[in-house]
Formats: sequence, structure tokens, C-alpha cells
Amino acid sequence: GQNIDQPTEMTATEGAIVQINCTYQTSGFNGLFWYQQHAGEAPTFLSYNVLDGLEEKGRFSSFLSRSKGYSYLLLKELQMKDSASYLCAVQDSNYQLIWGAGTKLIIKP
Amino acid sequence: TAGITQAPTSQILAAGRSMTLRCTQDMRHNAMYWYRQDLGLGLRLIHYSNTAGTTGKGEVPDGYSVSRANTDDFPLTLASAVPSQTSVYFCASRDRENTEAFFGQGTRLTVV
Repeated sequence: GQNIDQPTEMTATEGAIVQINCTYQTSGFNGLFWYQQHAGEAPTFLSYNVLDGLEEKGRFSSFLSRSKGYSYLLLKELQMKDSASYLCAVQDSNYQLIWGAGTKLIIKP
Repeated sequence: TAGITQAPTSQILAAGRSMTLRCTQDMRHNAMYWYRQDLGLGLRLIHYSNTAGTTGKGEVPDGYSVSRANTDDFPLTLASAVPSQTSVYFCASRDRENTEAFFGQGTRLTVV
């Protein structure tokens, strides 16, 4: 079967750094997406990784290791507005998106 | 730019009744998707359409049907609603594989 695992919830302090992990076992791999979803809102795109390595985009970075079936999203200089759920999604061999359950990130002042 | 629009934003529906959730995009994207999101389960694919005139079943298609008569519209129909269909429904679209999906604002459906 297809499986994507993320921690259910994480807590971090404003101004700090947090790493949200995602491990996957899917039928094929054609890239991994990270999305942010604020409570009661739609998911919005953050990053896309298809090759191994780190992709940096401002305060957010995303890392992929295809051999380990592993990705992480790194958030630096945390702000209160970063309180949200972070969704990991893998594009499988049919180019369908398989979604993790999401990680709820709580930022404390 | 409107992007992708869903209607209604919320609805309470009596069990056994039918309902159509509407989804319209103005980005001329080829692929469209319907997901349901339940607490702790993440987004689950109900039906999809890779291009106008074609549709396919996702992970949880039972009790739902879709059509894709043109590029812009992708309605989702519940023929006879049951309480287990209580959920938040998201419509999404993307231009092609390997690109980001854009989501509508969601429809919160309660079946009683």
C-alpha cells in the first residue's frame, strides 16, 4: 500500500527553527510537495522537490532523499503566522498526489 | 483573478437527499480533482479528471459522481447522502503533472 507519515503535532517558539519530517512508501515516485494550510482555509503550495537535496525559498527550505524515502520542511525565524498545518504529498507513478495527514505546528511566543 | 471557486461554502443536508457541489476554475488547467478532508486522515481523492471529457475514480469514489463537460467546471454529485459523507470537500486544479495544485476554499458539508 501507499503510506505517508508525518508527526501529528509539533510546538515551537517564535523566532526559533523547526523541522517537520515526512517519510513515504509509495508505488513510484515523481516528486514531493509541501503545502501549508491555516485552520479553516485551503492548502497553499510551499515547495516541490523531485531531485535529492535542499531547496531554499526564503525562510522555508525543503529537503529530499529519495533513497531513504524521506523529506523535511525547515522553517526558520518562526513567526506567529506560521501556526498552521503542513501537508506532505507524494506524486506517485500515475502522477496522482498521495497526501499525508498533516502536521499541526503550534507557535508559542 | 478568481482562480478556483467552490459553491456552496457550507451546507447542512438531510440524509437521503442529493446534492451537487460546484467547482469552477478560470486558469484553463487541464486536471481537476475532488478531495475530502477529515480530521486525522488528510486529503483523500474522490474523483479526478485529467482533461475535459474524461474522469477517473480516486481512493474513495463510492457514493459520489462527477462530470467534466468543459475545461472550467467539475461538479461533484452526492446521489443519496449519508452521514459518513460529512466532511470538508476541496476542489483543486493544476495545469499538468509536476506542477502545483491550486485549491478552492472548500465546502463544509454536514449530513444529518
